[in-house]
Amino acid sequence: GNSVTQMEGPVTLSEEAFLTINCTYTATGYPSLFWYVQYPGEGLQLLLKATKADDKGSNKGFEATYRKETTSFHLEKGSVQVSDSAVYFCALSDQTGNQFYFGTGTSLTVIP
Amino acid sequence: EPEVTQTPSHQVTQMGQEVILRCVPISNHLYFYWYRQILGQKVEFLVSFYNNEISEKSEIFDDQFSVERPDGSNFTLKIRSTKLEDSAMYFCASSPPRPYYGYTFGSGTRLTVV
Repeated sequence: GNSVTQMEGPVTLSEEAFLTINCTYTATGYPSLFWYVQYPGEGLQLLLKATKADDKGSNKGFEATYRKETTSFHLEKGSVQVSDSAVYFCALSDQTGNQFYFGTGTSLTVIP
Repeated sequence: EPEVTQTPSHQVTQMGQEVILRCVPISNHLYFYWYRQILGQKVEFLVSFYNNEISEKSEIFDDQFSVERPDGSNFTLKIRSTKLEDSAMYFCASSPPRPYYGYTFGSGTRLTVV
């Protein structure tokens, strides 16, 4: 079946530090992969996506590369800001898109 | 940017009562979904809806749950007789054709069953 395993949190970083949040997946076929972000008190916002192997999704300085050989989609950012404090969810969709499978979420706190 | 709108943002209800959670999807989207997130846990799929019928549902979506698109704009989730364990954040989402490119989620309704 389909599933996503995400790095446990919480993660606390100083401003301008490098961020990596690990995500691996199990899927049949050719899933699409996503990172969603949830800011305090808000809903889920699509941060970035990749729909096929070797694609790199990027947005707001965040990047993730769809690695089929390692079944991974790790989220990275070179220099985090206080405003990046949020919960980050890795997710996958099968080829139909009828259902998304989410990881457990990783809480990130960035301190000045 | 188009949004998915959910109302109310927070609802408190007594156990055994019926609740209806409301959503207005993005107007040209064709696929609609409900997900829920129990505090501190994963976001879980409940149901997907396309062409005025359920296309897929999870084990969570039992006979106590139903969905409806009553007027071509609203998309509702009804829980007939709420239980304490239904307390969660409920997210509505919609997507255009090719939902595997990503959904747009609403900001959620926090349901508290007391």
